[in-house]
Amino acid sequence: GESVGLHLPTLSVQEGDNSIINCAYSNSASDYFIWYKQESGKGPQFIIDIRSNMDKRQGQRVTVLLNKTVKHLSLQIAATQPGDSAVYFCAEPPRSGYSTLTFGKGTMLLVSP
Amino acid sequence: EAGVAQSPRYKIIEKRQSVAFWCNPISGHATLYWYQQILGQGPKLLIQFQNNGVVDDSQLPKDRFSAERLKGVDSTLKIQPAKLEDSAVYLCASSVSRAPLQYFGPGTRLTVT
Repeated sequence: GESVGLHLPTLSVQEGDNSIINCAYSNSASDYFIWYKQESGKGPQFIIDIRSNMDKRQGQRVTVLLNKTVKHLSLQIAATQPGDSAVYFCAEPPRSGYSTLTFGKGTMLLVSP
Repeated sequence: EAGVAQSPRYKIIEKRQSVAFWCNPISGHATLYWYQQILGQGPKLLIQFQNNGVVDDSQLPKDRFSAERLKGVDSTLKIQPAKLEDSAVYLCASSVSRAPLQYFGPGTRLTVT
């Protein structure tokens, strides 16, 4: 079936490094993607989203890149801080105009001081 | 703006007992979701409401799970009787009518012993 998945389950970085979290998707018709951050004991928190008519979108210290050719998106976090330690999920509606989200397993980001 | 509220935050019950969770969505959000998140996995949709009507409950184990949103605002999710495999975090989310961007509450961590 169609799914959203992540390449790396755990990513360990040093404080100040840049982090890159990857996500592959299989539904070529997907037109909207969302990245969520989930800290321990909390619900997922919206970070940034991107529509399929864009290749790149920047937020505060975060950038999402979308490569529709290979159905891949990535979340880049600049100058990673200990507070960035969390599980990161990419999510997408399974089809255009549908609001239910499909989540991948998530990537845990561990930031060492 | 207040976020999605959930209670209780933690609950421990014995198998075969019943339990209920409560959710208050963001004001004005017509769409409400309940998710189950098992440790180490992404959230899985249980049920989606549009106002007080059910849009999608295809993943809800209806023999033991029930949910309602009688006045189109607050919602309750009930499990009766609980099984060991129901141990998980139950997340409530809401969105502007049928918009894919969802905002999550802190979740209720259920432990069934």
